[in-house]
This record gives sequence, C-alpha cells and structure tokens, in this order.
Amino acid sequence: DADVTQTPRNRITKTGKRIMLECSQTKGHDRMYWYRQDPGLGLRLIYYSFDVKDINKGEISDGYSVSRQAQAKFSLSLESAIPNQTALYFCATSEKRDSPWLGQFFGPGTRLTVL
Amino acid sequence: AQTVTQSQPEMSVQEAETVTLSCTYDTSENNYYLFWYKQPPSRQMILVIRQEAYKQQNATENRFSVNFQKAAKSFSLKISDSQLGDTAMYFCAFMPGTSGTYKYIFGTGTRLKVLA
Repeated sequence: DADVTQTPRNRITKTGKRIMLECSQTKGHDRMYWYRQDPGLGLRLIYYSFDVKDINKGEISDGYSVSRQAQAKFSLSLESAIPNQTALYFCATSEKRDSPWLGQFFGPGTRLTVL
Repeated sequence: AQTVTQSQPEMSVQEAETVTLSCTYDTSENNYYLFWYKQPPSRQMILVIRQEAYKQQNATENRFSVNFQKAAKSFSLKISDSQLGDTAMYFCAFMPGTSGTYKYIFGTGTRLKVLA
C-alpha cells in the first residue's frame, strides 16, 4: 500500500465551486505539505503543518485553506475555485524536524481542472 | 530569498549515453541540503539523489551522480548509461538547514527525453 495517498486523483469542477483535496499518510510523519505544480513554474508551497495545531502559510496560500484533522490527514480546500487554480497538486510528508536529510515523501498527485 | 534555477527546460540524450542537467541556487546560508527529484509520466515524485552542503564528496546513487560546487552554488546531475526509463521531468530542490522549517524551494524543472 502507498505510504502517502491523495484523493481524488483527478477532478474536474466549475468556477465558484468548493472543492476539497485529501491527503492521508501511514508513514507516521509529523510534517505535511501541500504544493501545486504548474508548467514552467515547478512546485510551489501552498501550506505546511508541523503538527495538528501548527499550520503555516506557504508562498501561494491565497485562495486556499487547509485542515489538519489528525496527524495522518491533511486536507486542502478551495473555497471558490477559479480557472487559474487548475494545476497538479501534491501532498508531501517529512519526518521530525531534526531529519532534513531524509527529505520529503510525495503522494501521487491530484490533477485539478477548473472550468 | 533563496532561489533555484534550472536553465535547461528540455534536453534529449541517446540511450546508453551520458547527460548532465544543470542546477544553480542562491543562498546566504552555509548549512543546507540539495535534492534531485524525478517525475516520470506517472506524475509520481521520486527522490533520485541528495547532498549535504557541508560534505565535499559528491553523492552517487548507481547511474546517478552529482557535481556539487559549493562556491559556485552549482548542483548538477549526471546520468550515466541513460535508459528509456529515465525519460522524465527532473527537479532540483533546495532545503535550508538552519531555518527550522525544512521547506523545499524547487527549480522549474528540466524535461529529459531518452531516445532509442
């Protein structure tokens, strides 16, 4: 079974709709991240969380919100989707703060299209 | 602010040959980590190789190796004996080691195509 899962894998929605992307992990990591990937821009950080009560904005958080329901679950919401939020979204996890060497582990991604 | 630059949007290489992907970064920190990720058509982000800034020895993982030039702030990836399965997007990533946040800063990627 995959260590980091994302649902849905693909989603098409309409402008103005509320949508939630979900991420679950079985790695036991305390840190979780949401990124979006756009062609020519690489991956950019939306939000990150060190634990259930510690959530932080990344470089492009406008238009997004997150919820850390448990250590293993981190959801990303688009309250009112707009077409320029069409992108590939990744969830990632990492281990405790004294292990940066281990890097981050990524889920399979969610392809979101906003019409 | 730290930045990561991958100046080659696309590259191609013949199967069994060697190719080098470039990555430069800008930082004022002395302690940091560098990573190369591979993203095949499946979209999965796969860690290829990593390097700690305070280690002078270049990292090697099988056919993948890096040329880490700290003074020049350069971190290139060399793929030897290229295989068709190496066809993918490759992202260079920088992680500061002292800020405590351990966030990645990614480059814009290089699309590599291995030709049969």
